[in-house]
Amino acid sequence: EPEVTQTPSHQVTQMGQEVILRCVPISNHLYFYWYRQILGQKVEFLVSFYNNEISEKSEIFDDQFSVERPDGSNFTLKIRSTKLEDSAMYFCASSEKLSYEQYFGPGTRLTVT
Amino acid sequence: AQKVTQAQTEISVVEKEDVTLDCVYETRDTTYYLFWYKQPPSGELVFLIRRNSFDEQNEISGRYSWNFQKSTSSFNFTITASQVVDSAVYFCALRLSGAGSYQLTFGKGTKLSVIP
Repeated sequence: EPEVTQTPSHQVTQMGQEVILRCVPISNHLYFYWYRQILGQKVEFLVSFYNNEISEKSEIFDDQFSVERPDGSNFTLKIRSTKLEDSAMYFCASSEKLSYEQYFGPGTRLTVT
Repeated sequence: AQKVTQAQTEISVVEKEDVTLDCVYETRDTTYYLFWYKQPPSGELVFLIRRNSFDEQNEISGRYSWNFQKSTSSFNFTITASQVVDSAVYFCALRLSGAGSYQLTFGKGTKLSVIP
């Protein structure tokens, strides 16, 4: 069964460093998303991406964040200058159609020290 | 803005008991989608069900059943004859169906522990 994959599974970085989280959505899906979950808290929406552009973003998704689909398979989230409060699990998701369910990857645990 | 409330933070049941997880949502929109996701201890989010606001039929899938009541803005999830493998955090989520609405709004989740 097709699934969303994410790399790395765990990333440790120092405050102020740039990180890139990578995702490979399900191949026939057209809508892509990033969410984050701070430990023990609820899942929060960051951004959605469709037709090679951002379709919706939350207040969390400020200028420090960017997304890109550099080729036909990868979808990346970049954090330019990480802060301690960026430590969280980051989930990538994709859906075939807007009205369909979103399938989530296994997540990347980001630890900022 | 939309909101999803899962009032039960943690529930413990003994194996084979039935358990219902509550979900109440708020939205001014008349069309929307509701979802349940399971997050086992391994951390991934597993899709369980999607429901359209215009379809109030209850659904059963094996030991799982969902009760959608638009009149009370609730979308409750029942596990019948619970098993240890059901131990997880369960999230209810809402997505509006209007143009420009892409995000899922999640509740805070209910941690279910099934004791053998």
